Amino acid sequence: DTGVSQDPRHKITKRGQNVTFRCDPISEHNRLYWYRQTLGQGPEFLTYFQNEAQLEKSRLLSDRFSAERPKGSFSTLEIQRTEQGDSAMYLCASSLGIDQPQHFGDGTRLSIL
Amino acid sequence: QKEVEQDPGPLSVPEGAIVSLNCTYSNSAFQYFMWYRQYSRKGPELLMYTYSSGNKEDGRFTAQVDKSSKYISLFIRDSQPSDSATYLCAMSNNFNKFYFGSGTKLNVKP
Repeated sequence: DTGVSQDPRHKITKRGQNVTFRCDPISEHNRLYWYRQTLGQGPEFLTYFQNEAQLEKSRLLSDRFSAERPKGSFSTLEIQRTEQGDSAMYLCASSLGIDQPQHFGDGTRLSIL
Repeated sequence: QKEVEQDPGPLSVPEGAIVSLNCTYSNSAFQYFMWYRQYSRKGPELLMYTYSSGNKEDGRFTAQVDKSSKYISLFIRDSQPSDSATYLCAMSNNFNKFYFGSGTKLNVKP
């Protein structure tokens, strides 16, 4: 069990550029969650997958955000036309299934210049 | 009104003290409650998970849930400097979407 892995750990980009983050969940975890965390705040739910199906999305997930989980394994989160307000830590978590708690990766820190 | 309220602290205690961390919530449908510890520039680490009301103990940590008051607590006995971190409460009614508090920053002084 190597834990949840996120890549890259830190991404610096210019406003208006597109960015993509990757999350590799714990092996055999069929649920995968994305959160956003800003300084001094707790994680805010963005979306979650049950295997490859995206089952719930937050209102925070504007049309510039898209998440995928092909084949129910790793997941990607893409942000198009980044804005200053997108600067945050993007956290991924996975769980074995319903009634099982989430385990988090160490996040991708996004900085918008 | 936020779904989950948590005092941001910071909370500063001497080594060996008993620490009490608390969260209140507004949604009576919440039934799954978790406490996470987060060190700077790291992801949250699961400490305790409880279902519905009651107490749960794990080593130096005790989690309490009082659903009638919509109030949850985490107690840390014999606190250590290594416990210095931000503590987050989280809760859900169906395990599909989780709501987190803003975190309490704890500093345990040697």
